[in-house]
Amino acid sequence: DADVTQTPRNRITKTGKRIMLECSQTKGHDRMYWYRQDPGLGLQLIYYSFDVKDINKGEISDGYSVSRQAQAKFSLSLESAIPNQTALYFCAASGERGSRSGEQFFGPGTRLTVL
Amino acid sequence: GNSVTQMEGPVTLSEEAFLTINCTYTATGYPSLFWYVQYPGEGLQLLLKATKADDKGSNKGFEATYRKETTSFHLEKGSVQVSDSAVYFCALSDDGGTSYGKLTFGQGTILTVHP
Repeated sequence: DADVTQTPRNRITKTGKRIMLECSQTKGHDRMYWYRQDPGLGLQLIYYSFDVKDINKGEISDGYSVSRQAQAKFSLSLESAIPNQTALYFCAASGERGSRSGEQFFGPGTRLTVL
Repeated sequence: GNSVTQMEGPVTLSEEAFLTINCTYTATGYPSLFWYVQYPGEGLQLLLKATKADDKGSNKGFEATYRKETTSFHLEKGSVQVSDSAVYFCALSDDGGTSYGKLTFGQGTILTVHP
């Protein structure tokens, strides 16, 4: 079974619309992350959360917001989508108890297109 | 701040050729180093890791050695297969070696292997 799941997998929307991307994980990880992937730019961190009460901005948080509804759920919102937010979005989780490796587990991604 | 620089791609090889993808980093403290792989249409998955200087990570025939003196973590494989075609990301976690932390990614290197 997949550890980290994302919904939807694909979404096409129009400029100005509010969009929510959802992420769930099943292994009890403490930390969760949202990344954006653009061709040739690798992954850029949008927001991260070390636990339910701790939310932090990443490198490119402008235009995005997040909510950590529970330890297992971390959603990303685009309040008013714009075309340059067209990208592949990944959720990740880390922090298995006793782990020292820093390994992150990634979801399958959401392809978002803003027209 | 932390940064990771990977050799530019794309890299195109014939099956059974030798692969090297260079990765150098800049970090404070004592980072852990990772190689992640992204197969077409999928999320990232951990390929190998090294948590301290001179450690060698290995998996699926791939190897990388943590070289603190040259701040490098080059990925190598002696004989690539068509199924190795993917995007490879070098990353570091600058967490002082004590706990899991945020990842800083390189820009990714596209590898294509032809029969």
